[in-house]
Amino acid sequence: EAGVAQSPRYKIIEKRQSVAFWCNPISGHATLYWYQQILGQGPKLLIQFQNNGVVDDSQLPKDRFSAERLKGVDSTLKIQPAKLEDSAVYLCASSLETGGIGKLFFGSGTQLSVL
Amino acid sequence: AQSVTQPDIHITVSEGASLELRCNYSYGATPYLFWYVQSPGQGLQLLLKYFSGDTLVQGIKGFEAEFKRSQSSFNLRKPSVHWSDAAEYFCAVVMDSSYKLIFGSGTRLLVRP
Repeated sequence: EAGVAQSPRYKIIEKRQSVAFWCNPISGHATLYWYQQILGQGPKLLIQFQNNGVVDDSQLPKDRFSAERLKGVDSTLKIQPAKLEDSAVYLCASSLETGGIGKLFFGSGTQLSVL
Repeated sequence: AQSVTQPDIHITVSEGASLELRCNYSYGATPYLFWYVQSPGQGLQLLLKYFSGDTLVQGIKGFEAEFKRSQSSFNLRKPSVHWSDAAEYFCAVVMDSSYKLIFGSGTRLLVRP
């Protein structure tokens, strides 16, 4: 079974530039999550999708971050414009149903460096 | 406020020694409890989970964890550590009907040969 795929693996940009990350969840997983993991901290949930609808985006900085999940499969997370404090690993995860009560499958993440 | 705490940032153990990683939570009821492991360059992997019932739960890779309600703790243990266990370990909780998974700050495990 293929895992959660993310790309790119690394990205380096300058502040005020834009960046986009892509995620392909495990086939059949209805729920998709984007987490932000700042160095030395645990992952923090940014947004949760159930199929192509947003379940929770309460911690997404909506003035600069956006995410979409077209057709309930792939998802993209965009930052525009980026700030220095956005430097982090962005993790995508999926689960079979809402919450999967905690049983999430994670991708390897995209490491973003904002200079 | 609801929270999950991992008091140890780093822990170093010798290969073959026993291991215990601490996790405490702050919540009015019993949450759902989890331990995840993150190896270098890899995504997080679920080690084990506790929902209810037997307070000692077994997980993958020889890990176990014990839920202690009186101490609001869910500590992870392994009787004999292998060099391949070197990684970062995250305690996580689901505290309400939103099913939002909240992670602690992690404990980095170093294994001495």
